[in-house]
Amino acid sequence: EAGVAQSPRYKIIEKRQSVAFWCNPISGHATLYWYQQILGQGPKLLIQFQNNGVVDDSQLPKDRFSAERLKGVDSTLKIQPAKLEDSAVYLCASSLIGGGTDTQYFGPGTRLTVL
Amino acid sequence: AQSVSQHNHHVILSEAASLELGCNYSYGGTVNLFWYVQYPGQHLQLLLKYFSGDPLVKGIKGFEAEFIKSKFSFNLRKPSVQWSDTAEYFCAVNPGGNNDMRFGAGTRLTVKP
Repeated sequence: EAGVAQSPRYKIIEKRQSVAFWCNPISGHATLYWYQQILGQGPKLLIQFQNNGVVDDSQLPKDRFSAERLKGVDSTLKIQPAKLEDSAVYLCASSLIGGGTDTQYFGPGTRLTVL
Repeated sequence: AQSVSQHNHHVILSEAASLELGCNYSYGGTVNLFWYVQYPGQHLQLLLKYFSGDPLVKGIKGFEAEFIKSKFSFNLRKPSVQWSDTAEYFCAVNPGGNNDMRFGAGTRLTVKP
């Protein structure tokens, strides 16, 4: 079974530029998550999709971050404009149903460096 | 503020030593508890999880964890570590079953051969 795919793996940009990350979840998984992991910290949930609807985006900085999940499959996360403090690894995860006991499967992440 | 605390940032052990990594959380009510592991160069993967039943949960690769409700703890244990257990370990809590997973800061384990 193919895992969660993410691209790019690494991205370096200057502050105030924009950037986009792509995620392809495990086939058949209804729920998709984006996490931000700053160095030395655990992942922090940014947004959760159930199919193509947003379930939780309470921790997404909506003034600069946006995400969409077209057709309930692939998803993109965008930052515009980027700030220095956005330097982090952005993780995508998916789960089959999205219930509280459901296992989340993580992708390899995109490491973003903002200069 | 509600949180997940992992007491040790970095643990160094020799092979065959016993391991216990602490995890405490501050959420009340029903919680679902997870341990994830990230081996060097690999992505996060599930080690074990608890949501009901026997509070002693067994996971992959000989790991186990014990849920102690009165102590708000979910400590990870392994009787005898191997060099291949070198990784970062994350405790995660899903409070209220809404799948809003909250992660601890992680504990880096180094096992010396």
